Amino acid sequence: AQTVTQSQPEMSVQEAETVTLSCTYDTSESDYYLFWYKQPPSRQMILVIRQEAYKQQNATENRFSVNFQKAAKSFSLKISDSQLGDAAMYFCAYTLGADSNYQLIWGAGTKLIIKP
Amino acid sequence: KAGVTQTPRYLIKTRGQQVTLSCSPISGHRSVSWYQQTPGQGLQFLFEYFSETQRNKGNFPGRFSGRQFSNSRSEMNVSTLELGDSALYLCASTRTGTEKLFFGSGTQLSVL
Repeated sequence: AQTVTQSQPEMSVQEAETVTLSCTYDTSESDYYLFWYKQPPSRQMILVIRQEAYKQQNATENRFSVNFQKAAKSFSLKISDSQLGDAAMYFCAYTLGADSNYQLIWGAGTKLIIKP
Repeated sequence: KAGVTQTPRYLIKTRGQQVTLSCSPISGHRSVSWYQQTPGQGLQFLFEYFSETQRNKGNFPGRFSGRQFSNSRSEMNVSTLELGDSALYLCASTRTGTEKLFFGSGTQLSVL
């Protein structure tokens, strides 16, 4: 069975600095998709970044980038130039996509605190 | 383009009652999924609908059910509510081939 593990329940970073959130997963599949979602106090789950497993190139979205290590089954999120608005719960998630009818398997989440 | 809309935002019910939650997906999205989020269990998949058919179901009792209408709007129903059903219920929609799920703001259900 697929599992997703986030080992950091909470992280804190000074505003404008860089922080890395960790995620590992377990799967026997070769084609899958990985995501980082952000959940601010408003509770809406917001897609931050997406990575296709068949792509070797790490995904990047503005200040957000990932370090995808397929062999190690690791998928970390780096946030550069942290801003107060980045404070939220961050969830790592996995799916087989259409093959699993888009069912997401979630990590437990990491609470990110931004210090002004 | 309007996002995923969930109604109501908050609900308070008592044990034994039933509840219906609604989700309107993004226009053009035909797949709708439901998730339960609790502090203890985290995020758990409930079910997924596509073209009015349930294609996938998570490990929840039969008290949890859902349906999808021809306009892709979806409802989920929980009967005989228990205290443990208190949770944030999130709905997500996706367009086939994109593997990107977009979520609504959720319905916070409190069972007293």
